[in-house]
Amino acid sequence: RKEVEQDPGPFNVPEGATVAFNCTYSNSASQSFFWYRQDCRKEPKLLMSVYSSGNEDGRFTAQLNRASQYISLLIRDSKLSDSATYLCVGYSGRGADGLTFGKGTHLIIQP
Amino acid sequence: ETGVTQSPTHLIKTRGQQVTLRCSSQSGHNTVSWYQQALGQGPQFIFQYYREEENGRGNFPPRFSGLQFPNYSSELNVNALELDDSALYLCASSGTEQFFGPGTRLTVL
Repeated sequence: RKEVEQDPGPFNVPEGATVAFNCTYSNSASQSFFWYRQDCRKEPKLLMSVYSSGNEDGRFTAQLNRASQYISLLIRDSKLSDSATYLCVGYSGRGADGLTFGKGTHLIIQP
Repeated sequence: ETGVTQSPTHLIKTRGQQVTLRCSSQSGHNTVSWYQQALGQGPQFIFQYYREEENGRGNFPPRFSGLQFPNYSSELNVNALELDDSALYLCASSGTEQFFGPGTRLTVL
């Protein structure tokens, strides 16, 4: 079983809609979590960190539920430029373990 | 721009050959990690180098090896290439945050 699991999609969403992605993790050793964004044939880029208290950055809100081992990302008022793959990432806190990535969720915003 | 550069951008090899990929890390970052991203998958951690020593490794065989130089740049070497080694190879340099380079796309025929 993969340590970080995501629905690969694709999610086809009309511009202006709200979309939510979920991710589950199985390794309780993971201490920190992140959402990365990856555009086609490009490198992943950090979108935001995820905290139990929830955090918001503009149209993006991320939430961590440690009891359910569940991470979410909400995008409000989606834009065409939000089309990308969103990668859920866990980190043990020990640099030598590297980051643990999910397969990614592919989002397509339609005009 | 992350300040992390990789070369070459694309590479085609045949089974059994050896390949060396290069990464120049962001100024001031003394830790470099390498990841393999197969098509349709998330990146998989290969190993990490800190001050020229390997200090962590993912589930990859010994034919994946690396080096880090005094200027913190790094190389990833893969021997005896297999078809399944075809992937995007990403390096990431880190201080308080990891920054990924643009990657090298390796195709093994």
